[in-house]
Amino acid sequence: DTGVSQDPRHKITKRGQNVTFRCDPISEHNRLYWYRQTLGQGPEFLTYFQNEAQLEKSRLLSDRFSAERPKGSFSTLEIQRTEQGDSAMYLCASSRRLDQETQYFGPGTRLLVL
Amino acid sequence: AQSVTQLDSHVSVSEGTPVLLRCNYSSSYSPSLFWYVQHPNKGLQLLLKYTSAATLVKGINGFEAEFKKSETSFHLTKPSAHMSDAAEYFCVVSNTGFQKLVFGTGTRLLVSP
Repeated sequence: DTGVSQDPRHKITKRGQNVTFRCDPISEHNRLYWYRQTLGQGPEFLTYFQNEAQLEKSRLLSDRFSAERPKGSFSTLEIQRTEQGDSAMYLCASSRRLDQETQYFGPGTRLLVL
Repeated sequence: AQSVTQLDSHVSVSEGTPVLLRCNYSSSYSPSLFWYVQHPNKGLQLLLKYTSAATLVKGINGFEAEFKKSETSFHLTKPSAHMSDAAEYFCVVSNTGFQKLVFGTGTRLLVSP
C-alpha cells in the first residue's frame, strides 16, 4: 500500500486569501479524518468522512472551513478568508472498515498565514 | 468526554538506558488507548494500541505499554533507548466508535550518546 498523501506539503498565503488542501487516503480505506496541529500541541480533530458522507464536525471547524469527499476517495479542505490563527499543520488520516481503530496519517500540510 | 494527560513535556535519556513516558487517561467507559510517534518532517506513526484485550501491549521497535485501570495509566516503556528513538510521542484515547482520536500534548524524547 502507498501511504496517505497530502498536497501541498507547505503553503504560505496572505491573510484574507482562500486555500485548499488535498488528501488522498490509502486505497479502499472508507474513513477519512482531518486534524489540525499547532506548534507544541497534539493534533486536534476537525472532521471525518465515512465514504462520501461527512458525519462529524468539531466546533473548531468554523464557517470559513469546508471539507468535501465527493466520490468517497480523495478529500479537500478549504479555508476561506484565512486568518493568522489558521497557521498550523493540517493532518489527514484514513482507516479501513475492518480495522477502524487504526488511523494512518499523512505527512501533513503546513500552512503559514502572513 | 475522554482526555489524556502526558505528565512530562520532555524526557532525556542516554542511549542504552530505559525509557519511560507517562500517560494518564480519563474516560467514562472502557477506553481504547494508543501511542503514536512523530519524527521531524514525518507523519504520525502508530506504535501500539490497547483495545480491551491483554493489558500489556507490545508495539513496534521494542516499545510496550501497560494498561492499569486502577491507576488510569498507560505508560510507554522501552528497555534500551536508541538514538533513532528521539522524537515526539503522543498518548491518544479514542471514543467507542473510533471516529476521532484525542491526543495528549506530547512528550519530546531526547536521546544522548
